[in-house]
Parts: sequence; C-alpha cells; structure tokens
Amino acid sequence: DSGVTQTPKHLITATGQRVTLRCSPRSGDLSVYWYQQSLDQGLQFLIHYYNGEERAKGNILERFSAQQFPDLHSELNLSSLELGDSALYFCASSVSSGGDVEQFFGPGTRLTVL
Amino acid sequence: GQNIDQPTEMTATEGAIVQINCTYQTSGFNGLFWYQQHAGEAPTFLSYNVLDGLEEKGRFSSFLSRSKGYSYLLLKELQMKDSASYLCAVRDRNTGFQKLVFGTGTRLLVSP
Repeated sequence: DSGVTQTPKHLITATGQRVTLRCSPRSGDLSVYWYQQSLDQGLQFLIHYYNGEERAKGNILERFSAQQFPDLHSELNLSSLELGDSALYFCASSVSSGGDVEQFFGPGTRLTVL
Repeated sequence: GQNIDQPTEMTATEGAIVQINCTYQTSGFNGLFWYQQHAGEAPTFLSYNVLDGLEEKGRFSSFLSRSKGYSYLLLKELQMKDSASYLCAVRDRNTGFQKLVFGTGTRLLVSP
C-alpha cells in the first residue's frame, strides 16, 4: 500500500459523458501527478500539480482537466468521453516539486467507455 | 522529445538471472528510473540512476551509461513473483523536473 488513494476503483460509462476521478496523495506529499495507461500506449504522463498549482503538462487532451485543492487532493475531469478514453488512470504523489527520486502510485481507476 | 525503447517481452527460469535493456534519447537527461508493475496493479519504484555506473539493491541492480543512452535492470535469483512488467522511465530537465516519460514496458515471464 503506497498511501495514495484513488476513487472510484472502476467506472463504466457511455460515450459523450463526463466523469471525475479523485486522488488523495500520501500524507505530507505536495505533488500530484496523473497518468493514463492504455494497452497500446503504455503509461502516459498527463499533468503535474504542486501545492495547488499546475507545474507541468503532458499530452493531455483539451477535454480533460484537473485541479488540486487546498487539502491537496486532486480531481481529474474527463468530458465528452470517447471509446479511446478507456484506460487505467493512475495518480501518483511525491514530496516536493522537483528532484524527487520516487513517485508513489495509487491503485488506479479503470475507466470503461461503452 | 524523448524516445525510450525496451523489449516487449522476455522469458526466464526461476533461479536464473535476466537483464532487461532500455535505450533512450533525450536532450536534457536528468535521471532514469525503473518501476515494476504487476498486471492490473500500480507501478512500484525499483531504482534510480543519474550518474554512470551500477546501483545495487538486493536481487535487483540497475546500470546506466549516459554517453550511450543505455540502461539495464538486472534481476538475480529469479522468483515466480518477479513475473511482471518492468517500466523504464526518463526525466528530462527541459520538460519539467518531475515529468517522467515511460517506455512501453517489458513483460517478464518467469517459469518454474
């Protein structure tokens, strides 16, 4: 158990819908990262927040957005869902904003878009 | 951007040694990471290299050559529980100190 929690564990929805994935980092960690893992793409970095501020963006679609709240939990919002958005979404956390050796991954949310 | 290559799949026998290679291309190299991921589970950190050479941690070792853009993960005394995917990831100072770019992973199957 990494100490990072994610809800829900599984999510099944239809194309065109909007969902919100939630992540709580380890106690004391200020950075939160979101990753998407699909079968053909591997683990893809989406976005990084540090202490409430966006710090880095990967290939995150415009239909996706995220935020980190004052209590440091983070939410990833996915809208206008498409079949190709079906994937495992991982959240990870680390202590600081730069140079951390280890990121701690949560158990993931499996999203299925039908 | 970064380009990371690793073999898709490898097989080995319990008790043996296996080496998983990773090559990368990046302009502002700032660290190479290995993660282990069992099917359907979260990746877990194994090792970190930022300087050339070998880092040993129990049964697992990781090597880095920055001039060659090359790393390997060495697993000794293989156990059945080592069957998993092994992800090589690179950090580039030009794209953010905390952004990791992952390879597609090497699926290792350990047989009795």
